[in-house]
Amino acid sequence: GESVGLHLPTLSVQEGDNSIINCAYSNSASDYFIWYKQESGKGPQFIIDIRSNMDKRQGQRVTVLLNKTVKHLSLQIAATQPGDSAVYFCAEAYTGANSKLTFGKGITLSVRP
Amino acid sequence: KAGVTQTPRYLIKTRGQQVTLSCSPISGHRSVSWYQQTPGQGLQFLFEYFSETQRNKGNFPGRFSGRQFSNSRSEMNVSTLELGDSALYLCASSTGQGVYGYTFGSGTRLTVV
Repeated sequence: GESVGLHLPTLSVQEGDNSIINCAYSNSASDYFIWYKQESGKGPQFIIDIRSNMDKRQGQRVTVLLNKTVKHLSLQIAATQPGDSAVYFCAEAYTGANSKLTFGKGITLSVRP
Repeated sequence: KAGVTQTPRYLIKTRGQQVTLSCSPISGHRSVSWYQQTPGQGLQFLFEYFSETQRNKGNFPGRFSGRQFSNSRSEMNVSTLELGDSALYLCASSTGQGVYGYTFGSGTRLTVV
């Protein structure tokens, strides 16, 4: 499979624990944010998104928190499972004309059994 | 419903050659975006096509080009390959309403030797 996790920071958590993955974004004009998960040999897979008019959004076992004051985004995964092991990327966008996603560098999440 | 299909999955080329990669979007999606993924630079935006027109472009040299056909399928071409072009090339399709609803393919792994 693809070794997209090279040169990336790694977060190691025990199975069953909660995980928190952090991301600092760069553009204060960004108004839309997404978390993606990428497993070896696959493309990024959408996890959850949030618009800038919100500071928290919950999905199934995942929560995204947005702090626009310090340009910080976090992804919380409850009861982390071995299947959560992957590389996680945050992405930001300003949803004006010709918008595009700008990705962060990514963090490798490793779940210990 | 079929996902985003990229062909080929793996490719080995020699420096100086040129290469064409293909992306078939999800049925009904009119926008196709291309990204280059490397361990050092992460995911970087190449360009986006919508209704056969390039709508947005990243900061890549002119050796990187693309096109989109009337059925929304897209190709990207890299001419005069360099060793640094070795990467995973990902395409993502969406309905075209901004950056919402991107779905990524599994990518084409290009190795330049």
